[in-house]
Amino acid sequence: AQSVSQHNHHVILSEAASLELGCNYSYGGTVNLFWYVQYPGQHLQLLLKYFSGDPLVKGIKGFEAEFIKSKFSFNLRKPSVQWSDTAEYFCAVNALSNFGNEKLTFGTGTRLTIIP
Amino acid sequence: GAVVSQHPSWVICKSGTSVKIECRSLDFQATTMFWYRQFPKQSLMLMATSNEGSKATYEQGVEKDKFLINHASLTLSTLTVTSAHPEDSSFYICSASPGLVTDTQYFGPGTRLTVL
Repeated sequence: AQSVSQHNHHVILSEAASLELGCNYSYGGTVNLFWYVQYPGQHLQLLLKYFSGDPLVKGIKGFEAEFIKSKFSFNLRKPSVQWSDTAEYFCAVNALSNFGNEKLTFGTGTRLTIIP
Repeated sequence: GAVVSQHPSWVICKSGTSVKIECRSLDFQATTMFWYRQFPKQSLMLMATSNEGSKATYEQGVEKDKFLINHASLTLSTLTVTSAHPEDSSFYICSASPGLVTDTQYFGPGTRLTVL
């Protein structure tokens, strides 16, 4: 079965620092890749996604992610974080499930805290 | 756009009773809806996938007789937890997709279920 690993459980940064959150997945076939964000007290929102084409994808609020197929990675980056980026970030991969139906598999999430 | 609502946002019930949670796509028609469960400090785990007018597809280990899912229309899906027990206490989140299973999912705010 596919799995998704997010290496950083909690990241603390100062405002204006650069951010990179790691995401690796284990699946040998074709995947769709997503980053979702959950702000405090709110529901999951889509930050960005990769289906095909340019492996460097840009999302909302200045975020971007790069799909590196050889490394099975889809790391999230932002050059300069803001206090409002404080949230929980989830990487997710869509791949075939055990029943042959595609399903979205989530990583355990990374809590990002930005210090003003 | 792409707003998904859930009702109720939280519910407390006695052991042995049944609880129904509604998930609605407010501004789009959801071909596919999904139900997830999230345990504290853990990731989202897919419980089942449903398409309008057909039976839901449950993930391995999810009791379909306990977690009844009905996708009666393109904007409404319900999850009924039957004969709830304290171990069913959790955060239940639905999502909806306007297209295929592999398309982007839009998430509801979640429902906190506490079974006493």
